[in-house]
Amino acid sequence: SQQGEEDPQALSIQEGENATMNCSYKTSINNLQWYRQNSGRGLVHLILIRSNEREKHSGRLRVTLDTSKKSSSLLITASRAADTASYFCATERSNAGKSTFGDGTTLTVKP
Amino acid sequence: EAGVAQSPRYKIIEKRQSVAFWCNPISGHATLYWYQQILGQGPKLLIQFQNNGVVDDSQLPKDRFSAERLKGVDSTLKIQPAKLEDSAVYLCASSPPGGGYEQYFGPGTRLTVT
Repeated sequence: SQQGEEDPQALSIQEGENATMNCSYKTSINNLQWYRQNSGRGLVHLILIRSNEREKHSGRLRVTLDTSKKSSSLLITASRAADTASYFCATERSNAGKSTFGDGTTLTVKP
Repeated sequence: EAGVAQSPRYKIIEKRQSVAFWCNPISGHATLYWYQQILGQGPKLLIQFQNNGVVDDSQLPKDRFSAERLKGVDSTLKIQPAKLEDSAVYLCASSPPGGGYEQYFGPGTRLTVT
């Protein structure tokens, strides 16, 4: 079974709006990563947040981590049509480099 | 910096046939992963190598799937014989050794078993 579960499964917004997607997990983690996948392509790494961090920013992306609730959120501000993709969270429980992926949130940004 | 290379990009085979996928990771990346991604789902780890040793193959269906990384660089994943449920995208990724690093993914091989 997958460690992380993204919510919602699908999200449709207008260009310029913010998009928020969430990830919940079941066991303690070392770090959590967010990836983007455009249709028919491989995954691209967005942000890694460690278990002792609460928030990280990268450009228009903001990631939060609440280890007490075992959840993370990814916020994309001022969305663009090019942000249309599937977004996955991946949790790493040990230092072996093994990550477990959720089933993703499909984001559609309408121009 | 060259990315992770995979070939072929697409493959169509009949059930019970065999197929092989190839992956060349980013130079210097000791860790290599093979994932299976079924349509509408997230990637599922099949096998993880560190150099030419297996770190985790707990989800690899060993009765039909095999993988090797003989010289600690490129890797092949084989399916023999293929089943209809093996239709998926097979993704290869690499990263520096140990934990806490991002994974770099190749474009994937889309396998259709008819």
